[in-house]
Amino acid sequence: GDSVTQMEGPVTLSEEAFLTINCTYTATGYPSLFWYVQYPGEGLQLLLKATKADDKGSNKGFEATYRKETTSFHLEKGSVQVSDSAVYFCALSDRVTGGGNKLTFGTGTQLKVEL
Amino acid sequence: NAGVMQNPRHLVRRRGQEARLRCSPMKGHSHVYWYRQLPEEGLKFMVYLQKENIIDESGMPKERFSAEFPKEGPSILRIQQVVRGDSAAYFCASSPETGHAGELFFGEGSRLTVL
Repeated sequence: GDSVTQMEGPVTLSEEAFLTINCTYTATGYPSLFWYVQYPGEGLQLLLKATKADDKGSNKGFEATYRKETTSFHLEKGSVQVSDSAVYFCALSDRVTGGGNKLTFGTGTQLKVEL
Repeated sequence: NAGVMQNPRHLVRRRGQEARLRCSPMKGHSHVYWYRQLPEEGLKFMVYLQKENIIDESGMPKERFSAEFPKEGPSILRIQQVVRGDSAAYFCASSPETGHAGELFFGEGSRLTVL
């Protein structure tokens, strides 16, 4: 079945440091790939997505490129801020019967950014 | 434009009691998904519903758990005879029938504590 593996946390960085959170996946077919972010006490929010190979998703300074050859979708940001502290989830989607979308999530990576 | 609404936000039950969690999807959304997040783990898919139909319940435990999405009213996740291992955050998500692949809109979650 489909699966997502992402680096374990917590990741602790100083403000303005470079961020990489690794994510690799296993899937049949051609899934879409996503990064969701969960701030403390809140639900998940879509951060960015890519729907086909070589697509780059970007939002709020975060980027991730869909690499089919390495089955990866690593999240990067050039300069993190304290407000980026959250848990980041890599996910892939599998179209299901009835037109819906079932997401398979990684275990999440907690990011802590300190001054 | 209200987002996905879940209630209660926090629920405490004793072992053997019943827990009912409610989810109202975003306006215009006809697909509802329930996910469970155990402590220190990622989100696990439980069930996907459309109005009056369960489309995919492959992630739902076979006993004690049930879900519905009636023609009128919110979706309900019901857990009978709760045990301590049911303590978790339960997230509901919704999507429109013709939405972008994999883009789900999440509620803030219902946190169940079983004493």
